[in-house]
Amino acid sequence: RKEVEQDPGPFNVPEGATVAFNCTYSNSASQSFFWYRQDCRKEPKLLMSVYSSGNEDGRFTAQLNRASQYISLLIRDSKLSDSATYLCVVNPGFQKLVFGTGTRLLVSP
Amino acid sequence: DADVTQTPRNRITKTGKRIMLECSQTKGHDRMYWYRQDPGLGLRLIYYSFDVKDINKGEISDGYSVSRQAQAKFSLSLESAIPNQTALYFCATSAQYNEQFFGPGTRLTVL
Repeated sequence: RKEVEQDPGPFNVPEGATVAFNCTYSNSASQSFFWYRQDCRKEPKLLMSVYSSGNEDGRFTAQLNRASQYISLLIRDSKLSDSATYLCVVNPGFQKLVFGTGTRLLVSP
Repeated sequence: DADVTQTPRNRITKTGKRIMLECSQTKGHDRMYWYRQDPGLGLRLIYYSFDVKDINKGEISDGYSVSRQAQAKFSLSLESAIPNQTALYFCATSAQYNEQFFGPGTRLTVL
């Protein structure tokens, strides 16, 4: 089993739609969690950290479920500029980050 | 100016050649990392360093070596490049358990 698993997509949605991505992780001792965004052939950039209580940043909401070992990202009112690959990232407690392979999102007019 | 820079940005080389990829950062972070990214495989850690005297192997260190010349510089070397080392290489930095900041990447092609 992979340490971090994501549905690769692509998710094709129209502008204005709400879309959700899930990610599961295998190490129950994992300490911190992130969502990164990566545009084609560009470097990954932090979108948001994920906290136990859940957190929101504008149109983006992240949730963590430690009991089920999954993380979610909800994007409301999708924009064309949201088209990218979203990477689920987990710190398993060994001072390194483990990256999922990413979920690709395509937002169309 | 970018906080994390990588040189070269693109490189085409031949099998058996030695090649060095360089990374510099102005963020003042102690921790630096080298990753490679391949389609469908995501980012995989090659080597990482938590300070100038510290070097650690990642999950795919075979065929690579690194040098941490200073807090701000971390180089990745391929002593004898082979075609399956063709990939996109990223350098990253971080402070403790915080987010990692990535350089723009080096696209390496080994013929």
